Amino acid sequence: DAGVTQSPTHLIKTRGQHVTLRCSPISGHKSVSWYQQVLGQGPQFIFQYYEKEERGRGNFPDRFSARQFPNYSSELNVNALLLGDSALYLCASSQGTGFTGELFFGEGSRLTVL
Amino acid sequence: AQTVTQSQPEMSVQEAETVTLSCTYDTSESDYYLFWYKQPPSRQMILVIRQEAYKQQNATENRFSVNFQKAAKSFSLKISDSQLGDAAMYFCAYRSARMDFGNEKLTFGTGTRLTIIP
Repeated sequence: DAGVTQSPTHLIKTRGQHVTLRCSPISGHKSVSWYQQVLGQGPQFIFQYYEKEERGRGNFPDRFSARQFPNYSSELNVNALLLGDSALYLCASSQGTGFTGELFFGEGSRLTVL
Repeated sequence: AQTVTQSQPEMSVQEAETVTLSCTYDTSESDYYLFWYKQPPSRQMILVIRQEAYKQQNATENRFSVNFQKAAKSFSLKISDSQLGDAAMYFCAYRSARMDFGNEKLTFGTGTRLTIIP
């Protein structure tokens, strides 16, 4: 079975632009979470979606938004990009039926804002 | 809010030797989960080991084991017989065990970069 897949793997944007990152969870997983990992830091929680509903939100500005589709894939959108948004964006999926198992992470999307 | 602290930015160990990575956390909750994740240069986070706070017995997974001290809020990872493939960033992480359905937020530390010396 395929693992968590994310696209694009790398991208470069300029300040003020908008970006959309995509994530496909492991087949059968209904929960998707997004994390931001700035260079040299641990991942920071942005959002969690389960069954297309937002179940958790981290301390990020409203420029960050996300959604989950009927097939459980997810998009993370960031508007009005700032230099500080440069980071590795990680997606993780799980079955979401309470926590009995692990989160499975993708390889991330590396965003550079110039 | 919970916090996770890893005070060792970098560690190194000779191949086949044993190394211990430190982690402390702060929480007012009594029930929670703790994890160690490995992030190799490929960037993908891989779960190494997890510990349920209500369990007194320390978790073990092959060459990996933890020393969980709940009162001290300490959660260290011991890697025995270190191998070249163990080289990576290691992150300690915390998750509440609150039964908020679908709440799977992980709080990570800043990581420890482990180098294996051949």
